Amino acid sequence: GESVGLHLPTLSVQEGDNSIINCAYSNSASDYFIWYKQESGKGPQFIIDIRSNMDKRQGQRVTVLLNKTVKHLSLQIAATQPGDSAVYFCAEGSGYSTLTFGKGTMLLVSP
Amino acid sequence: DTAVSQTPKYLVTQMGNDKSIKCEQNLGHDTMYWYKQDSKKFLKIMFSYNNKELIINETVPNRFSPKSPDKAHLNLHINSLELGDSAVYFCASSFDRGGGYTFGSGTRLTVV
Repeated sequence: GESVGLHLPTLSVQEGDNSIINCAYSNSASDYFIWYKQESGKGPQFIIDIRSNMDKRQGQRVTVLLNKTVKHLSLQIAATQPGDSAVYFCAEGSGYSTLTFGKGTMLLVSP
Repeated sequence: DTAVSQTPKYLVTQMGNDKSIKCEQNLGHDTMYWYKQDSKKFLKIMFSYNNKELIINETVPNRFSPKSPDKAHLNLHINSLELGDSAVYFCASSFDRGGGYTFGSGTRLTVV
C-alpha cells in the first residue's frame, strides 16, 4: 500500500504486481514532464518523458499518463521487479527553464 | 567512461572550512547544473550555467559559488561551511536549458 509520513511517501508492492506512482505538479505552463529513478547511492536516472500535448506515452514496461486538467502525472510500471526498488521523481519544465523536481516516492518491491 | 563525473564522492569537513566539488561531463552538453538533495530526498536547483549566463537560485547563500573553466566543467566552491550545508550535491548537464538532464552520482558532504 501507499503511505505518507514524516519521511518519503512509500509504495510497497509484491514482485510481479503493477505499480502506479503519482505526482501532482504545480505549474500549468509546464510543457514537458520527466520521470527519474534514483537508486541508493546513485544519481537520478532518466526513465521516460512526455510533452504537454500528449496524455500517454509508453516505454519498456513503463507508461506515463498526463492529466493536465488536474495537473496530475502518473508512472505505471508493469510486472514490477526487485530491481525497480528506488526513489522515483517527477520533474516539470517549460521552454528553457530548469527542471523542477517533485518530492519523490520510494518504491519497495518484495520478492 | 562515465558521462557526468563528480569528485569526491564523499567529503567530511569541519565547520568554517572552504571546500570544492568538481564536476566534468563528456557528453558535449552546453548547460550544467548543481542540485542539492536534502535528507528527505528533495532535489533543489542551486545553479544553472551555460556559456552565456549563470542563473542562481536566489535562496542559495553567497558562500556557494560555481566556477566553470570550460563548458565541460562546473565546479562548486563553498566558503565557511556550516552544519546545514550537509547534503548530497548533484551535478547534471543537458543540451540548452531544456529536456532531460544527465546526473552525476553525487557528492555526500558532511560538515561536523
